[in-house]
Amino acid sequence: GAGVSQTPSNKVTEKGKYVELRCDPISGHTALYWYRQSLGQGPEFLIYFQGTGAADDSGLPNDRFFAVRPEGSVSTLKIQRTERGDSAVYLCASSLRPSGGITGEETQYFGPGTRLLVL
Amino acid sequence: AQSVSQHNHHVILSEAASLELGCNYSYGGTVNLFWYVQYPGQHLQLLLKYFSGDPLVKGIKGFEAEFIKSKFSFNLRKPSVQWSDTAEYFCAVRGPGRRALTFGSGTRLQVQP
Repeated sequence: GAGVSQTPSNKVTEKGKYVELRCDPISGHTALYWYRQSLGQGPEFLIYFQGTGAADDSGLPNDRFFAVRPEGSVSTLKIQRTERGDSAVYLCASSLRPSGGITGEETQYFGPGTRLLVL
Repeated sequence: AQSVSQHNHHVILSEAASLELGCNYSYGGTVNLFWYVQYPGQHLQLLLKYFSGDPLVKGIKGFEAEFIKSKFSFNLRKPSVQWSDTAEYFCAVRGPGRRALTFGSGTRLQVQP
C-alpha cells in the first residue's frame, strides 16, 4: 500500500516568511510524528500526535513552530517567521497505536521528507 | 542526558568485507531498538528492530543486530557487504515511557566494488 507522503518535497523561502509542510500518513495509522534532520545529523523529534491531539510537543524548538492534525489523518507543520537555522529536512512518520499501550511494540514508518531552505 | 551514540561516522569497505556498526545508548530500563537505513536519494527505511526476546535480531538484506543489555549496545552486522549496501545507517532508541525515537548521528557506509 501507499507509504507516508509529504509535500512539498522541496521548499525555498526567505527569512521571516511563513511556511506550511504537509504530511499524509499511512492509511489507518493513528500516530503521527514530526522530526527534523539537519545536515550530518540524525532526525530529532519535534512533536507527536495520537489521533487529533498533540500528545507530546516537547521537541518543538520554540513558539514559531506549530503543528495540527484536525481530522486525525493529515498533519501540517507550520513555521512562522522562518530563520536560516530552520533549514533542514523535515520528516514525518506514522505508526499504528501499539496494542500494549505506551510500552507496546510500535514501528514508525517514515516519509521522504520536505527539504526546507531558508535564504 | 539520554542519548544514542554511533561512533563510526564514515566507514569504507570493499565488497565481501564484513561489517559491524556500533550503537550505544544511555537509557536505563526497557528500551526498543531500531536500525534504519537511508539509501542515496531515498527515505529512511526500517532495517530491523528489537522489542523483546532473542537478543539476536535478523533484518532485511542479510543484516542482523545483537542487543547486549549489559553494554547498552545494539551493534549492526553483516557478514559480507555488497556495493548496494552503500547508504547511511541510523540507530534509534525508544526509551522507557516514550513514543518518540532518539536517533544517533548516523554512519555513512561506502562499499567499493
